[in-house]
Amino acid sequence: GENVEQHPSTLSVQEGDSAVIKCTYSDSASNYFPWYKQELGKGPQLIIDIRSNVGEKKDQRIAVTLNKTAKHFSLHITETQPEDSAVYFCAASLSNTGKLIFGQGTTLQVKP
Amino acid sequence: EPEVTQTPSHQVTQMGQEVILRCVPISNHLYFYWYRQILGQKVEFLVSFYNNEISEKSEIFDDQFSVERPDGSNFTLKIRSTKLEDSAMYFCASSPGGDYGYTFGSGTRLTVV
Repeated sequence: GENVEQHPSTLSVQEGDSAVIKCTYSDSASNYFPWYKQELGKGPQLIIDIRSNVGEKKDQRIAVTLNKTAKHFSLHITETQPEDSAVYFCAASLSNTGKLIFGQGTTLQVKP
Repeated sequence: EPEVTQTPSHQVTQMGQEVILRCVPISNHLYFYWYRQILGQKVEFLVSFYNNEISEKSEIFDDQFSVERPDGSNFTLKIRSTKLEDSAMYFCASSPGGDYGYTFGSGTRLTVV
């Protein structure tokens, strides 16, 4: 079945620096790739998603890139702020309403 | 902003007891899901529900599990006879379909003792 691997498991950056989190997936039929942010005591919150017909998508300080050939996608956060500190999950799915296969999560710490 | 609401936030139950986890999805959403996260592990898919029936379920979702949408607003997950290994955070989610993704609830932490 589909498997999603996520790296790194923890990431510590200085405020203002960029952070990059990478994921690989195994099922070449996957075509929907969301990223979620999870803060303590809350559920995963969708922050950005990308579909397989697009190579890159940006939303202010957040961007996601997708390489379908290599089956990997990445989350880029620029100008990080302390409030970006959270656990980030990538996921892959056959569609935006299908089951999500999650990565292991990355704990991002942004130091002031 | 509309939210998916889950109750209770934390439930402790004895092994072998039945539990019902409750969720109120966003009102105009059409697709409903349950996921779980065992401490320190990945978030795992359990079941998806659309048009009043299960559309997909995982290997985890065996005969001990069932879902219901009893009244058009609530969406429940029942575990008939809980085991220690059912201890996890259970997340409900909903989606309107189209180009939109999921919205997750804050989760119910289930502890089986």
